[in-house]
Amino acid sequence: GQNIDQPTEMTATEGAIVQINCTYQTSGFNGLFWYQQHAGEAPTFLSYNVLDGLEEKGRFSSFLSRSKGYSYLLLKELQMKDSASYLCAVIPSDSGYALNFGKGTSLLVTP
Amino acid sequence: DAGITQSPRYKITETGRQVTLMCHQTWSHSYMFWYRQDLGHGLRLIYYSAAADITDKGEVPDGYVVSRSKTENFPLTLESATRSQTSVYFCASSGLQATETQYFGPGTRLLVL
Repeated sequence: GQNIDQPTEMTATEGAIVQINCTYQTSGFNGLFWYQQHAGEAPTFLSYNVLDGLEEKGRFSSFLSRSKGYSYLLLKELQMKDSASYLCAVIPSDSGYALNFGKGTSLLVTP
Repeated sequence: DAGITQSPRYKITETGRQVTLMCHQTWSHSYMFWYRQDLGHGLRLIYYSAAADITDKGEVPDGYVVSRSKTENFPLTLESATRSQTSVYFCASSGLQATETQYFGPGTRLLVL
């Protein structure tokens, strides 16, 4: 089976840095995605990792360690608009390209 | 540039009725997906399609039917709606490669009474 774990909730202060962790156990691996989802809206793409290491994109960075089944999303210089759910999703190698999602981490940014 | 659209955006129906949720994309993406999102479960895959006339089951297919006669459309039908199918339904699409980003539609909020 597929198992993707991430913390349920996190709180951080505006201007700070927050790291959202994701661990996974899946049958094969074809890549890991991070999506952002504001309340009442559709998920939107943030990042994709398939090789080990850090991918940086502006204020957001994503890290992957395939040997450890571990990823994190790093958000810098937090803004109030970053309050949202962050979804970790893995493509197992036998899934026909469909994403297996974790339950998401709800991030609250406070003033 | 419409992208990916879903209709209706909101739907209230009764137990036992048939309901069809529509999904349309303008990118000519090969892959299309249906997910449902429920509190405590996150997003779960219902069905997906690799191309016209090719569909396959996901994690939670029971009670749902899909078809894909045209590349751009991927309707999802609840044959006899049940209260447990009350959920938010998202359609998504992506290109040919497994590593390509999936783009999500705005969602359909379905309430089954």
